[in-house]
Amino acid sequence: QKEVEQDPGPLSVPEGAIVSLNCTYSNSAFQYFMWYRQYSRKGPELLMYTYSSGNKEDGRFTAQVDKSSKYISLFIRDSQPSDSATYLCAVLTTSGTYKYIFGTGTRLKVLA
Amino acid sequence: DGGITQSPKYLFRKEGQNVTLSCEQNLNHDAMYWYRQDPGQGLRLIYYSQIVNDFQKGDIAEGYSVSREKKESFPLTVTSAQKNPTAFYLCASSIDLRETQYFGPGTRLLVL
Repeated sequence: QKEVEQDPGPLSVPEGAIVSLNCTYSNSAFQYFMWYRQYSRKGPELLMYTYSSGNKEDGRFTAQVDKSSKYISLFIRDSQPSDSATYLCAVLTTSGTYKYIFGTGTRLKVLA
Repeated sequence: DGGITQSPKYLFRKEGQNVTLSCEQNLNHDAMYWYRQDPGQGLRLIYYSQIVNDFQKGDIAEGYSVSREKKESFPLTVTSAQKNPTAFYLCASSIDLRETQYFGPGTRLLVL
């Protein structure tokens, strides 16, 4: 079992839809949770990070962490064609050695 | 304008040749990282450096070498021992190992 699981997609939605992207993780020692956006042939761009259960909002983006279920989500409201990209979740554990683990990414297509 | 730069954007390697990928940051970050990205496999850690003149192997270090002589620079050499070097290489940095990582634009390495 991978330490971080993410559905690869592609996920296609119409413009204006609410998008839900999800990851599950296996180790309760993971303490920090990040979402990155990666456009084709570009480096990942940090979108959001959080270290606690609950929601964190930034504009059209909301990151949600449920530590009891080991489940993290990214919601995109009023999705735009410019949101079409691959979204990577990442977790950081700080117990013992620091380790950053990435999901494989979900490809999102927002159709105009 | 702070950030991480990688050069070149594309690099071609001949059989038996060593090539070096450049990574420079002006964010005053102590930690730097090299990842390899292949389709469907997510990001895999090659090497990381916590501080100048120190670096550690990641999960897939075989066939690669690095140096960290300056805080701003963390070049990666892909040696002839790396039998499958074709991939997208990403450099990242963070304030320290506990903090979120920021990525450069990437270098695509192709084998002739």
